[in-house]
Amino acid sequence: AQSVTQLGSHVSVSEGALVLLRCNYSSSVPPYLFWYVQYPNQGLQLLLKYTSAATLVKGINGFEAEFKKSETSFHLTKPSAHMSDAAEYFCAYQGMNRDDKIIFGKGTRLHILP
Amino acid sequence: DTAVSQTPKYLVTQMGNDKSIKCEQNLGHDTMYWYKQDSKKFLKIMFSYNNKELIINETVPNRFSPKSPDKAHLNLHINSLELGDSAVYFCASSHFTGAGANVLTFGAGSRLTVL
Repeated sequence: AQSVTQLGSHVSVSEGALVLLRCNYSSSVPPYLFWYVQYPNQGLQLLLKYTSAATLVKGINGFEAEFKKSETSFHLTKPSAHMSDAAEYFCAYQGMNRDDKIIFGKGTRLHILP
Repeated sequence: DTAVSQTPKYLVTQMGNDKSIKCEQNLGHDTMYWYKQDSKKFLKIMFSYNNKELIINETVPNRFSPKSPDKAHLNLHINSLELGDSAVYFCASSHFTGAGANVLTFGAGSRLTVL
């Protein structure tokens, strides 16, 4: 069965430091992969998506993620953290078919230290 | 203009009651979803409808009954509410981006508290 694992339920970085949020997936078929962000008391919004085109995907707010098939990973990075990046981040997986359900990881809370 | 709107935003009720949450999207999407987010932020799909047809029905108690009168609306009715139903319920819709990938647009959530 397909699954998504996010390493670290909480990650703290200093303002201006590199952000790295880890996501690994388990699947026997090529996936579609997404990162969503959830600010307090809001719904999730799409940061970026991988759909088998370029392996390095750029998203909003300076975030990017790299698909590495050999490592079954799709880690999210941002070179320099900003206080406004504090939020919950979710990695999500979808199979090849349009009607495949979208599976979310358990989320990583990103804390930004001043 | 809110893309995916849910009502009510907050719902506090007693065990055993029946309640409904409504969802509407004005994006022209053909697929709509209900997700449940528990206190640990874990997000789990409950139902998915495509053009009013149920396509995903996870292992959800039959006290939960979705209804899609048209492709812009997906409502969730819950009978005989239990303490464990307390959660934030998110409605979402999606468009087909080609090659099978569905991008979700979420509502702001409906926080249900069962006392």
